[in-house]
Amino acid sequence: EDQVTQSPEALRLQEGESSSLNCSYTVSGLRGLFWYRQDPGKGPEFLFTLYSAGEEKEKERLKATLTKKESFLHITAPKPEDSATYLCALVSGGYNKLIFGAGTRLAVHP
Amino acid sequence: ETGVTQTPRHLVMGMTNKKSLKCEQHLGHNAMYWYKQSAKKPLELMFVYSLEERVENNSVPSRFSPECPNSSHLFLHLHTLQPEDSALYLCASSQGGGEGETQYFGPGTRLLVL
Repeated sequence: EDQVTQSPEALRLQEGESSSLNCSYTVSGLRGLFWYRQDPGKGPEFLFTLYSAGEEKEKERLKATLTKKESFLHITAPKPEDSATYLCALVSGGYNKLIFGAGTRLAVHP
Repeated sequence: ETGVTQTPRHLVMGMTNKKSLKCEQHLGHNAMYWYKQSAKKPLELMFVYSLEERVENNSVPSRFSPECPNSSHLFLHLHTLQPEDSALYLCASSQGGGEGETQYFGPGTRLLVL
């Protein structure tokens, strides 16, 4: 059975303190792994898609990497506005069905 | 309007009421999705429509009834809901429904069932 597990559940950082969020997965044939950001009371906002092990993508202070078993979202020198829940999702089954992890709640304090 | 919009943003209903949630996408996509996000649970797919045809029903109870009259609009009709159906209901769209396509989400409808 395809599965997505995110850790840690919550993370508190000081502004400028770099860290990484983890997304471990099991899937029968990777067809896409997605990272989204979700602010309270809002819909998820797309960040990255990764399709094969070794792939990396960057956007501002965020960098996503992928291995055959896990993906990391690295946050470099975070700012308070990076505070949000970060969601990892995997294509599972037909018709572009996504299964989501429970998310990591990130709080960045000045 | 741009992206994916949802109305209403907030809804309170009794267990005997009938209401509908509306989703509209302005991205020219051909696939649309309904997701449910309950407190303390991961986002959960409910339905998938591709070219206005329902292609996935993720074991959703019949008190939830989707409708997709065209590729830009998606509805979720609600009737005789239970308090445990209270959640954030999210609509998303993607280019054509092919595997690995990026799904773009709307802001959601926060539903409270009393």
